[in-house]
Amino acid sequence: DVKVTQSSRYLVKRTGEKVFLECVQDMDHENMFWYRQDPGLGLRLIYFSYDVKMKEKGDIPEGYSVSREKKERFSLILESASTNQTSMYLCASSLSGRGRKFFGPGTRLTVL
Amino acid sequence: AQTVTQSQPEMSVQEAETVTLSCTYDTSESDYYLFWYKQPPSRQMILVIRQEAYKQQNATENRFSVNFQKAAKSFSLKISDSQLGDAAMYFCAYRTSNQAGTALIFGKGTTLSVSS
Repeated sequence: DVKVTQSSRYLVKRTGEKVFLECVQDMDHENMFWYRQDPGLGLRLIYFSYDVKMKEKGDIPEGYSVSREKKERFSLILESASTNQTSMYLCASSLSGRGRKFFGPGTRLTVL
Repeated sequence: AQTVTQSQPEMSVQEAETVTLSCTYDTSESDYYLFWYKQPPSRQMILVIRQEAYKQQNATENRFSVNFQKAAKSFSLKISDSQLGDAAMYFCAYRTSNQAGTALIFGKGTTLSVSS
């Protein structure tokens, strides 16, 4: 089975801190995605990557950046965390652009 | 731009009964994919069912089936013989068939509760 893991289930940070959310997949998938999930808003795409060092902005990239130095790892970076970035963050991966997407368990980030 | 709308924030059903979750979408494309995902309290997103727009036949997966109405841009999920383990948030999602567009577009979700 494909496994997508995220570095933390829960994270609490302070306003202004630099925050790294890590996502690792173990099936050599080309595509990786970061979504944030908020009540009443569903899942919204932040960034995705279709290859190492390649990235594309999603619908809500402001305040975030990403890094994909290795195929298996896709990092989401909050350069200066703000309270409006308190949310659930979900990572996903797929073998190809049309392939089935597998999701990680999510990281619930609270910014105080 | 494509949009996905789930008009029912919450639904409830009794065990062994049938429930239908609604989803409508907007697109100018003729070829695309539609999905229903389930997110239980564990937060793990699980693919429930998938439908290719070019297929007229409605997809089924055990107790889960869809009613795909392409002209009406409607994609509802029917859960038959509901079980307590079906309680979760359900998301309808769209994906273009365009090779360049690989991300899913999600609706806002419907929370389903199941009572015994």
